[in-house]
Amino acid sequence: EPEVTQTPSHQVTQMGQEVILRCVPISNHLYFYWYRQILGQKVEFLVSFYNNEISEKSEIFDDQFSVERPDGSNFTLKIRSTKLEDSAMYFCASSVQGEAKNIQYFGAGTRLSVL
Amino acid sequence: SQQGEEDPQALSIQEGENATMNCSYKTSINNLQWYRQNSGRGLVHLILIRSNEREKHSGRLRVTLDTSKKSSSLLITASRAADTASYFCATGDTGGGAQKLVFGQGTRLTINP
Repeated sequence: EPEVTQTPSHQVTQMGQEVILRCVPISNHLYFYWYRQILGQKVEFLVSFYNNEISEKSEIFDDQFSVERPDGSNFTLKIRSTKLEDSAMYFCASSVQGEAKNIQYFGAGTRLSVL
Repeated sequence: SQQGEEDPQALSIQEGENATMNCSYKTSINNLQWYRQNSGRGLVHLILIRSNEREKHSGRLRVTLDTSKKSSSLLITASRAADTASYFCATGDTGGGAQKLVFGQGTRLTINP
C-alpha cells in the first residue's frame, strides 16, 4: 500500500542551526501538509501546499519556516534558525483531489530535538 | 475548551468490551474525522463523517455526529489488545481545496488482555 515517507526519523540539532525535514508524499496526491506535535500536546497544523504554492499557514508558521517541492516527489520543511521550542514531532501528510481529498495520509514523522 | 476536545483523556478497559470516546468542537465544520496514533508513530485515518451525516460504520467502528451539539462519538466494539493507541478527532472546515485539520487532545485507550 502506498505510504508517505519521512526522513530522517530523528534529527538532533543545535539551537540556531538550519534543518530540512524531508517527505515523499503518495505519488498521485496533490495536496501536501505539515503538522507538528509537541510532546504530550495535540497535533497542530502548520501549512498546506497545492499547485506549488502555500494554500494556508498557521500562526506557528512564521518567517523561520518555509516549504518547497523541489522536484516531482519531495516536499520539504525548512526551519531556518531553530529554537528550543521547535523540538517536536513533525508530520507530513498528503491527500488526493476530489471527494477523497478530505482524508489525509500521514507519514511516521520526524522527531526534531533542538539542543 | 478548544476545537476538537476529546473525553475521556484516558480509558482503560478489558479486551472484548466496547470503548466509547467523545469529541466536542466549537466552529462549523464540513467533516469530522477520527485518527489513531500508535505510540511514537504517525496518524492513521480511521473514518470520516460529513456534516450532513449522523452515523457511519466501518467494521468494528461506529461514529456518530450531532451538529446541533457540536459533538461526535467513536465506538469501538469488541475491543482487542491491538486497539491500544491514542485516538484523535479532527475537524475539517472545507469541502474544497487544501483542508486544514484541527485536532483534539486525544484519548489514550488501553485494552487489557
